[in-house]
Amino acid sequence: AQSVTQPDIHITVSEGASLELRCNYSYGATPYLFWYVQSPGQGLQLLLKYFSGDTLVQGIKGFEAEFKRSQSSFNLRKPSVHWSDAAEYFCAVSGGSNYKLTFGKGTLLTVNP
Amino acid sequence: SAVISQKPSRDICQRGTSLTIQCQVDSQVTMMFWYRQQPGQSLTLIATANQGSEATYESGFVIDKFPISRPNLTFSTLTVSNMSPEDSSIYLCSVAGTSGSNEQFFGPGTRLTVL
Repeated sequence: AQSVTQPDIHITVSEGASLELRCNYSYGATPYLFWYVQSPGQGLQLLLKYFSGDTLVQGIKGFEAEFKRSQSSFNLRKPSVHWSDAAEYFCAVSGGSNYKLTFGKGTLLTVNP
Repeated sequence: SAVISQKPSRDICQRGTSLTIQCQVDSQVTMMFWYRQQPGQSLTLIATANQGSEATYESGFVIDKFPISRPNLTFSTLTVSNMSPEDSSIYLCSVAGTSGSNEQFFGPGTRLTVL
């Protein structure tokens, strides 16, 4: 069975600081990996995805993530955080043709001015 | 990406009643799903809505409690039956198969409060 672990429940950073959100997955074959963001009272927005190829993927809003098969990780990064990045971030995995997504528990990001 | 709308956006319901949530997509999609997000929690897949046939439910979810319809490739409904306060959640529909990949796009969600 596939699973996702986001070890950090809540992270606080200062505006302009760099950010890394951790994600570890468990899946028997090559996974499809995603990062979603959920702002308060909003639905989920897809930030980026990894299917195959280059292990460093670029997403929207200046985010990137790196797939590391040896570490079963797909960490999300941003070099300089903006106050508008404050939100909940979810890592998710799916595989094969069933499209089913398994989500991590999420990391709440607070940005201090 | 697909544009997804849900109705209602929020509702407050009494215990023992039922609520039907609608999900409309602006284009035909292969797959439609329903998720639940309980307060302060992550998303849990309820079921896959299959066009023209019975939905496929995940462990812990049953058709009597969460009947789902999908009459065509752009529309689905989820009913939350005989509600209790424990059903207070955000219910989200999602779609996949619009771009030939495993990407899923989510609707804005329906925030349900059961008193």
